[in-house]
Amino acid sequence: RKEVEQDPGPFNVPEGATVAFNCTYSNSASQSFFWYRQDCRKEPKLLMSVYSSGNEDGRFTAQLNRASQYISLLIRDSKLSDSATYLCVVNTKGRYSGGGADGLTFGKGTHLIIQP
Amino acid sequence: EAQVTQNPRYLITVTGKKLTVTCSQNMNHEYMSWYRQDPGLGLRQIYYSMNVEVTDKGDVPEGYKVSRKEKRNFPLILESPSPNQTSLYFCASSRSGYSYDSPLHFGNGTRLTVT
Repeated sequence: RKEVEQDPGPFNVPEGATVAFNCTYSNSASQSFFWYRQDCRKEPKLLMSVYSSGNEDGRFTAQLNRASQYISLLIRDSKLSDSATYLCVVNTKGRYSGGGADGLTFGKGTHLIIQP
Repeated sequence: EAQVTQNPRYLITVTGKKLTVTCSQNMNHEYMSWYRQDPGLGLRQIYYSMNVEVTDKGDVPEGYKVSRKEKRNFPLILESPSPNQTSLYFCASSRSGYSYDSPLHFGNGTRLTVT
């Protein structure tokens, strides 16, 4: 099983719709979780962290399911500008105390296309 | 403006000709890292640095070198580039390691082509 797995898509979704996608991770010791957004040929940018209790930022909601080892991202009222690749990022504690960047693993991304 | 600056943005070179891609951050971040991104393979870590003079290998370090003599700079060196190092490279930094309150900030990328 891959460490961090995402459905690559592409997902073609009409503007205004709600879309959700998941990311599974294999290491149960993983400690922190994030969604990044990457536009074509540009740098990834942090979209939101994923907290244990779930969290919301405007139209975006992130959830964590530790029992089943996945995180999810839900986008409501999707806009054309939401078209991008969404990267799931998981941090597993490394050999440095306090969590290590060496334990950071990126998924390959889910490509989302919002259509007018 | 807080940022991570990579140079050059685009680089075309020939096999075997040593090159350096520079990375500089102005946020006084302790942690810096290099990634390469290839179609179908996603982002893969090359090297990272937890602080000045502290560097360590990531997942794909072969063919690369780094140094961290100053906090702000983390250059990536290809001593003898080969065509399989053709890729999109990103430098990133964060305040200290990586956590909820210390996210990664990426540079805007260097597209390298080795012929």
